[in-house]
Amino acid sequence: AQSVTQPDIHITVSEGASLELRCNYSYGATPYLFWYVQSPGQGLQLLLKYFSGDTLVQGIKGFEAEFKRSQSSFNLRKPSVHWSDAAEYFCAVDEGGGGNKLTFGTGTQLKVEL
Amino acid sequence: GAVVSQHPSWVICKSGTSVKIECRSLDFQATTMFWYRQFPKQSLMLMATSNEGSKATYEQGVEKDKFLINHASLTLSTLTVTSAHPEDSSFYICSAAGTYTNEQFFGPGTRLTVL
Repeated sequence: AQSVTQPDIHITVSEGASLELRCNYSYGATPYLFWYVQSPGQGLQLLLKYFSGDTLVQGIKGFEAEFKRSQSSFNLRKPSVHWSDAAEYFCAVDEGGGGNKLTFGTGTQLKVEL
Repeated sequence: GAVVSQHPSWVICKSGTSVKIECRSLDFQATTMFWYRQFPKQSLMLMATSNEGSKATYEQGVEKDKFLINHASLTLSTLTVTSAHPEDSSFYICSAAGTYTNEQFFGPGTRLTVL
């Protein structure tokens, strides 16, 4: 069975600083990879996804992620964090190759200091 | 993006009663809907997958007689927690996917508290 690991439970960064959230997966083939953000009272919002092709993926809100096959990683980055980015971030893997049966990591809670 | 709603957003019930949670796709036809459960400070765990007009497929360890899922139309799925107990207290989240998209759109979740 596949698994998704987000090693950092909590991360605190200063507004304007750069951000990297880590995600590692365990899966035999190259899975479909996703990053979601969850804000209180709101549903999960898709930030970006990787299916194939260019390993550097651009998403919404200035986020990007890089797929590294050799490291089984799909880390999320943002050059300059805004206070409104404070939220819970989830990495997810699709074993079925089509947006179905997502396996989520445990999430990383991002706090932004002003 | 597509919008998925859930109702109610929170519910408190007594032990032994049943609770129904609705999940609606507001601006697209959802051929597949998913139900997740999220415990505090933990990840989302897939409970079941339902296709419109078909019986739901439950994940291992999820009691289908306890968590009744109905997906009778392309815009509505319901999750009924039957004979709820305090251990069923959790955050329940649905998502929906259309025929021509491989993206799931998530509802805002329903907080269930069983006293």
